[in-house]
Amino acid sequence: GESVGLHLPTLSVQEGDNSIINCAYSNSASDYFIWYKQESGKGPQFIIDIRSNMDKRQGQRVTVLLNKTVKHLSLQIAATQPGDSAVYFCAENLREYGNKLVFGAGTILRVKS
Amino acid sequence: DGGITQSPKYLFRKEGQNVTLSCEQNLNHDAMYWYRQDPGQGLRLIYYSQIVNDFQKGDIAEGYSVSREKKESFPLTVTSAQKNPTAFYLCASSATGGGQPQHFGDGTRLSIL
Repeated sequence: GESVGLHLPTLSVQEGDNSIINCAYSNSASDYFIWYKQESGKGPQFIIDIRSNMDKRQGQRVTVLLNKTVKHLSLQIAATQPGDSAVYFCAENLREYGNKLVFGAGTILRVKS
Repeated sequence: DGGITQSPKYLFRKEGQNVTLSCEQNLNHDAMYWYRQDPGQGLRLIYYSQIVNDFQKGDIAEGYSVSREKKESFPLTVTSAQKNPTAFYLCASSATGGGQPQHFGDGTRLSIL
């Protein structure tokens, strides 16, 4: 059968709605987190980052929330547009391992017009 | 414009052949990285370099080699010892120190003939 790893979770939203993409990270000592957007056939594009001394950070149409208690990160996209359709993944910085970034597998966001 | 340029965009390898993927950056970043991306999986670190003339193995270095003779350039060679080379290869760069985002090129897709 197919590997489970080939199936990324998918979030489908209607154009204009808000999107929330979630990420669970692994290391309680991680001190820095990044959200990336990757379109088909392209490299990951930096969206927003947050340091562990913050709970929330806002950008243009995007907000990142960090819950260190449960090791959870979320990306909120306001008024989702068709151009937001992509794979989104989070990365955590492992300072104790020489500032190594560890990436999640990602979530597919599909925006319906 | 500052950025990271990867070439070629598509590359085909014959049995027993070594191939080299190019990565050039003009962001004046000290650190550079090579990742491998397989369908439905997170990015896996192959090699990284934090300064010219120095580099370290990542999590999946076997079958790959790199050099860092210039700050701007970090080529990756996929050797014949890499038995499963088909993947999307991504190069990134960042400033050094903790809590720095990595910026990516648009990748090279390597396939076996």
